[in-house]
Amino acid sequence: QVQLVESGGGLVKPGGSLRLSCAASGFTFSDYYMSWIRQAPGKGLEWVSYISSSGSTIYYADSVKGRFTISRDNAKNSLYLQMNSLRAEDTAVYYCARGAGSLLVWGQGTLVTVSS
Amino acid sequence: DIQMTQSPSTLSASVGDRVTITCRASQSISNWLAWYQQKPGKVPKLLIYKTSSLESGVPSRFSGSGSGAEFTLTISSLQPDDFATYYCQQYNSYLFGGGTKVEIK
Repeated sequence: QVQLVESGGGLVKPGGSLRLSCAASGFTFSDYYMSWIRQAPGKGLEWVSYISSSGSTIYYADSVKGRFTISRDNAKNSLYLQMNSLRAEDTAVYYCARGAGSLLVWGQGTLVTVSS
Repeated sequence: DIQMTQSPSTLSASVGDRVTITCRASQSISNWLAWYQQKPGKVPKLLIYKTSSLESGVPSRFSGSGSGAEFTLTISSLQPDDFATYYCQQYNSYLFGGGTKVEIK
């Protein structure tokens, strides 16, 4: 079945880095745009980034621009989010989702905690 | 930049009530709007896409409407499973509304 599984979350100090991964299965990964969305504890949803199927088109929210980098490896059916210069306000559950429009398929999320 | 304002932020209602949630954009956004339901500790679930198209498997008591800069999600008869938080999403500008928590009255 169609599935997205995130990994790579954890506790990191302010200023640190973390790389999230999202493994896709059950669909032709290379056909789809992919997105990262995050949700801070007790807060709403925030679209962080998306990448086109080929990787040629990329979007970042202003809140992460210059610090986060989205990428994908279609041969490995995987999506990535490299997060640098992390701040306390980046603490959230990070979801990967299929598409960059309405989002039908979501992963279960991985928690990133930025704290000293 | 486009801003999305969702109202109310909290709504108290009873089973069987008709419930309406509004999402307003700061400018016209065509019809690229979706609605999601999220329960505590769960992943958001797509209910409505392109303003008014019901996602497969979603009960017909959910409906979406609107145009331009004002959109609504309506639950025609609230069921116990519907108590949750609802988010609008404008996918031209990659924005989510702030959410509406539907609570038991």
